[in-house]
Amino acid sequence: AQTVTQSQPEMSVQEAETVTLSCTYDTSESDYYLFWYKQPPSRQMILVIRQEAYKQQNATENRFSVNFQKAAKSFSLKISDSQLGDAAMYFCAYGGTGGGNKLTFGTGTQLKVEL
Amino acid sequence: DTAVSQTPKYLVTQMGNDKSIKCEQNLGHDTMYWYKQDSKKFLKIMFSYNNKELIINETVPNRFSPKSPDKAHLNLHINSLELGDSAVYFCASSRRQGGERREKLFFGSGTQLSVL
Repeated sequence: AQTVTQSQPEMSVQEAETVTLSCTYDTSESDYYLFWYKQPPSRQMILVIRQEAYKQQNATENRFSVNFQKAAKSFSLKISDSQLGDAAMYFCAYGGTGGGNKLTFGTGTQLKVEL
Repeated sequence: DTAVSQTPKYLVTQMGNDKSIKCEQNLGHDTMYWYKQDSKKFLKIMFSYNNKELIINETVPNRFSPKSPDKAHLNLHINSLELGDSAVYFCASSRRQGGERREKLFFGSGTQLSVL
């Protein structure tokens, strides 16, 4: 079974600074997808970024980028120029190519953005 | 226009009662899911339906019964509610493309269930 580990329960960053959230996963599959979802206090789950395992190039979405290290099974999220609106719980998630598109989530990292 | 809508947003009920949560998506997706988020914010899949067919049924008590009348709807009925059922329940949908490709999930805003 796949597992996703987020070892940082909480992180803080100053506004306009850069922060990196860690995620590692365990799988025996060679083809899979990885996601970062954001959950603000509104409770809504918002997709931040998606990475396909067969692509070597790291995904980027504006201020959000990932460092995908397939051999190390590591998938960290970098947030540049942090804004107050980035404060949220961030979940790393794994999606294998079988199993009906099930996502396995990590335990989340609560990000605080300070002035 | 809400893409994935679930009702109610909040549900407070007594132990032993039966309750339902409804979910509808207007994205034209063919796969829908129920996820449970516990008090520690951990998200875990419960069920998944593709074209009204059950394809994922994790280890969930029989008191939970999903029903999909059509591709756009997936409801969750819970019998004999217990204190431990208190959680946030999320509905989600995705589009299956090219077999088992990993399309992103669109989530509803969640239903916070409190069992007293």
